[in-house]
Amino acid sequence: DFQMTQSPSSLSASVGDRVTITCRASQSISNYLNWYQQRPGKAPKLLIYVASSLQSGVPSRFSGSGSGTDFTLTISSLQPEDFATYYCQQSYSIPLTFGGGTKVEIK
Amino acid sequence: EVQLVESGGGLVQPGGSLRLSCAASGFSVNNYYISWVRQAPGKGLEWVSIIYSSGTTYYPDSVKGRFTISRDNSKNTLYLQMNSLRVEDTAVYYCARARAPGLNCGGGSCYTFDIWGQGTKVTVSS
Repeated sequence: DFQMTQSPSSLSASVGDRVTITCRASQSISNYLNWYQQRPGKAPKLLIYVASSLQSGVPSRFSGSGSGTDFTLTISSLQPEDFATYYCQQSYSIPLTFGGGTKVEIK
Repeated sequence: EVQLVESGGGLVQPGGSLRLSCAASGFSVNNYYISWVRQAPGKGLEWVSIIYSSGTTYYPDSVKGRFTISRDNSKNTLYLQMNSLRVEDTAVYYCARARAPGLNCGGGSCYTFDIWGQGTKVTVSS
């Protein structure tokens, strides 16, 4: 199985800050890596797929990069609606696995 | 509008059974890979099952032999039959549709989920 490790598990930031979240796979998953945003009490929302492709309708302040085992999600200028939990997920093979999540909180 | 609506959650005793439903609209369930994903209280996301457009199914070890995913094409609905439930199965259960139809799985798109339901809560407790 492919283990996905996110860091940090939580962070505090201010509106306008640049935020970077890291996801590491236990083995190479090529670029088969997705990012989701989950607001409290809501379903996850797809942000980024195949490591760097922006899902339709997602603001351009979100970007993704990486390949192999190391990936990053960057929010270029944090907005109030971005305070949420972010999860990475490998789409390389079954069993599908998610990272443990990164909670982005208001400083 | 493309959407998924789950139902069937509730309170069940350990060892009991429950069947969740996921009604789809705006697309045909038999054309897409669809998964169930769960989230225990205060925890992260855990993949629970998947059904391919071909009908092939897969499960993680944590639910294999206890959970069964199926679909009724005439009702455009997915199901998750959960047997021998354990306290650790307590969670919100989401159904989620793959980003691309099952004949176009390039780039892991059939394991990338762009449409999610609102979730249904399952509590396993005595």
